[in-house]
Amino acid sequence: EDQVTQSPEALRLQEGESSSLNCSYTVSGLRGLFWYRQDPGKGPEFLFTLYSAGEEKEKERLKATLTKKESFLHITAPKPEDSATYLCAVQAVGNFNKFYFGSGTKLNVKP
Amino acid sequence: EAQVTQNPRYLITVTGKKLTVTCSQNMNHEYMSWYRQDPGLGLRQIYYSMNVEVTDKGDVPEGYKVSRKEKRNFPLILESPSPNQTSLYFCASSLFGTDLAFFGQGTRLTVV
Repeated sequence: EDQVTQSPEALRLQEGESSSLNCSYTVSGLRGLFWYRQDPGKGPEFLFTLYSAGEEKEKERLKATLTKKESFLHITAPKPEDSATYLCAVQAVGNFNKFYFGSGTKLNVKP
Repeated sequence: EAQVTQNPRYLITVTGKKLTVTCSQNMNHEYMSWYRQDPGLGLRQIYYSMNVEVTDKGDVPEGYKVSRKEKRNFPLILESPSPNQTSLYFCASSLFGTDLAFFGQGTRLTVV
């Protein structure tokens, strides 16, 4: 069964304190892994797509990496405005019409 | 501006009273889908559509219906809502379903 697990559920950081969020997945064959940011009361905002192990994508203070079993979202020197819930989702090769989401990591960056 | 628009944003209704949540996109996307988001469970797919008149079930389709008569619109229909359908609903679209880049603002539904 295709499955996505995110950890930790919640993370509190001081401004400037770098850390990583984890997304581990079980799929029969990975077509793509997606990261989103979600602010309270809003729809998910697309950040990155990763397709193959070893791939990396960067945007400002965020960097996403992918291995065969998990993905990491690294946050370097975070700012309070990075506070949000970060979601990951996977799309399987054999079932590419469906997207499976993790339950998210709620990040709180204190000034 | 490229966007997915859902209406209404908030809805409180009573058990058994039929309702429709509308979703419209202005990007000429082929693929559209509906999700519900519940605490601790993440986003779960209800239905998706690959094109006009082509729809299929996601992981939690029970109690929901959809239709895709025009490319831009993908309404979600609850014919007899129940309290366990109280949730936050999102519509999403993409060009061909190869990613899921655009989400609506969400509809918070409460069924009492």
